[in-house]
Amino acid sequence: EIVLTQSPGILSLSPGERATLSCRASQSVSGSYLAWYQQKPGQAPRLLMFGASGRATGIPDRFSGSGSGTDFTLTISRLEPEDFAVYYCQQYGTSPYTFGQGTKLEIK
Amino acid sequence: EVQVLESGGGLVQPGGSLRLSCAASGFTFSSYAMSWVRQAPGKGLQWVSTVSGSAVSAYYADSVKGRFTLSRDNSKNTIYLQMNSLRAEDTAVYYCAKVRVLGIYDYWGQGTLVTVSS
Repeated sequence: EIVLTQSPGILSLSPGERATLSCRASQSVSGSYLAWYQQKPGQAPRLLMFGASGRATGIPDRFSGSGSGTDFTLTISRLEPEDFAVYYCQQYGTSPYTFGQGTKLEIK
Repeated sequence: EVQVLESGGGLVQPGGSLRLSCAASGFTFSSYAMSWVRQAPGKGLQWVSTVSGSAVSAYYADSVKGRFTLSRDNSKNTIYLQMNSLRAEDTAVYYCAKVRVLGIYDYWGQGTLVTVSS
């Protein structure tokens, strides 16, 4: 199965700053079938991005995704207070579909 | 408005059984696959199982294959996860999710906690 490794494990930033989250796959992700989810404490995950760079419905344009093959990035251009959460990448190009271990974005 | 609501979680002894239900509304239920994704306490997300919209096909993670069975009743807009031979490592919050396409989960329920312990 494809193993996704996210870095950093914890990212400490201030509101207004730019966040860059990385997701590296153990083998090429077919079709750039890579999604990102946001999860806040006590809540279900929320779909942010799919197809590496497509924004889900209602997701603000400060969120952007990029990458292909084995290296993918989620960028949040200017952090808002509500963006502090855990972020997971997920590949859905090869079964079984797998998730990364998560990056916790915390307020500095 | 799309809504997804899980039920059926609880405390069960190792080796026991439990059935989770997930009722959905706000979309044409039979047109979409549905999945279960679980999250062990303090851990990440793990895909568990997916059933096709027509209920013809179901897919399972290796860790639950042969123990879990996923089915659906499109007349009731509900899916069911029958979990047998439960183990301590099955302890998790189980989320039901609508599959947008392939493995993209666009709507999630709030989850139901399953605890396997003696």
